[in-house]
Amino acid sequence: EVQLVQSGAEVKKPGESLKISCKGSGYSFTSYWIGWVRQMPGKGLEWMGIIYPGDSDTRYSPSFQGQVTISADKSISTAYLQWSSLKASDTAMYYCARLNDVVVAASLDYWGQGTLVTVSS
Amino acid sequence: DIQMTQSPSSLSASVGDRVTITCRASQGISNYLAWYQQKPGKVPKLLIYAASTLQSGVPSRFSGSGSGTDFTLTISSLQPEDVATYYCQKYNSALALTFGGGTKVEIK
Repeated sequence: EVQLVQSGAEVKKPGESLKISCKGSGYSFTSYWIGWVRQMPGKGLEWMGIIYPGDSDTRYSPSFQGQVTISADKSISTAYLQWSSLKASDTAMYYCARLNDVVVAASLDYWGQGTLVTVSS
Repeated sequence: DIQMTQSPSSLSASVGDRVTITCRASQGISNYLAWYQQKPGKVPKLLIYAASTLQSGVPSRFSGSGSGTDFTLTISSLQPEDVATYYCQKYNSALALTFGGGTKVEIK
């Protein structure tokens, strides 16, 4: 069974750093891209970026380039999303999801349970 | 950058009604479109990919159509468990994904 299990909720202060994780199982972790999606409170889904754990090829949405860092450790089947200096506006639910590009029209077929990040002084 | 516009932003319909949600791309995207359902407080779920292919396990009352710039998601007979927000998402070969703004579906 394919599963993506994310790390738990975080409460941080502005200016602090943070790294959240997404551990894949039940499939070849190095053969599928993993993407990150932000959902701010009461708002829609926003595409942040994506990584190919096989070779760590990473692409960012222009809106998030320079704001976050996406990485992966294929030895433990885990992808990461990190911030060096959090802002209150980073308060959101963050989802990881597997990109299934077996067909050319790729889609996000499995999702993690989400990690709620709250940034408040 | 290609923008995805969904309409309506919300709708209210009766159980058993046929419901149609549209998604328009600012440029042609072939059939590189997926639809997701997000129930309140839950994780998004893939319903349809490649514009019209039903994901395994999704009820057959859901269907998708379209190509190029105009796409539709149809629920043939709305059920109470279909209360959710629905999102379209486009994909391109540069691995740039974009979501539509969402359509909130409620029961009248």
